[in-house]
Amino acid sequence: EAQVTQNPRYLITVTGKKLTVTCSQNMNHEYMSWYRQDPGLGLRQIYYSMNVEVTDKGDVPEGYKVSRKEKRNFPLILESPSPNQTSLYFCASSLVAGNNYGYTFGSGTRLTVV
Amino acid sequence: RKEVEQDPGPFNVPEGATVAFNCTYSNSASQSFFWYRQDCRKEPKLLMSVYSSGNEDGRFTAQLNRASQYIPLLIRDSKLSDSATYLCVVTRMRSARQLTFGSGTQLTVLP
Repeated sequence: EAQVTQNPRYLITVTGKKLTVTCSQNMNHEYMSWYRQDPGLGLRQIYYSMNVEVTDKGDVPEGYKVSRKEKRNFPLILESPSPNQTSLYFCASSLVAGNNYGYTFGSGTRLTVV
Repeated sequence: RKEVEQDPGPFNVPEGATVAFNCTYSNSASQSFFWYRQDCRKEPKLLMSVYSSGNEDGRFTAQLNRASQYIPLLIRDSKLSDSATYLCVVTRMRSARQLTFGSGTQLTVLP
């Protein structure tokens, strides 16, 4: 089944403890992206990647890192999480950037930082 | 002004009703346009891409009006299962590197 898989689905952590949220797609998509969703603010892009070893900042990159060493994986790293990073996170992928095929989203990761 | 603006709703309509959602975007350089559906606490799912020629998928119709920068979505013969939040999504640049999401319009279809 074609899908984007995120792990974990739920995570509660403490301030300052490094964490990684994994994202993997099995569709050979070039483009991958991370979003966070907060009430009243909608979905906002954190980082995106056009292809392997090509990443760029989105609208809210502060406090996050990403890497794209393989085409299928695009992990999101929070080096020192803070409570304002409590949010619902989605990974998404698309065949290529600049198309009308739309984007496939993972099931989301609900992160709470205390 | 927000890049993508939608009526927040909520829209509460009876089964069988026709409902129309508004979406306007501010960046005239936007190239690709979509409507997504999001059920509570779940991932957004593509409802349809939107073109100037219009796009119809069963009971759902969307149209791109570039002159007005307006992307209405029409849902005919509403079903209970249509209850969800509908997200208007626009790409900023020709390469579609960045998606901009509207805040969503909440729809509840009542029996």
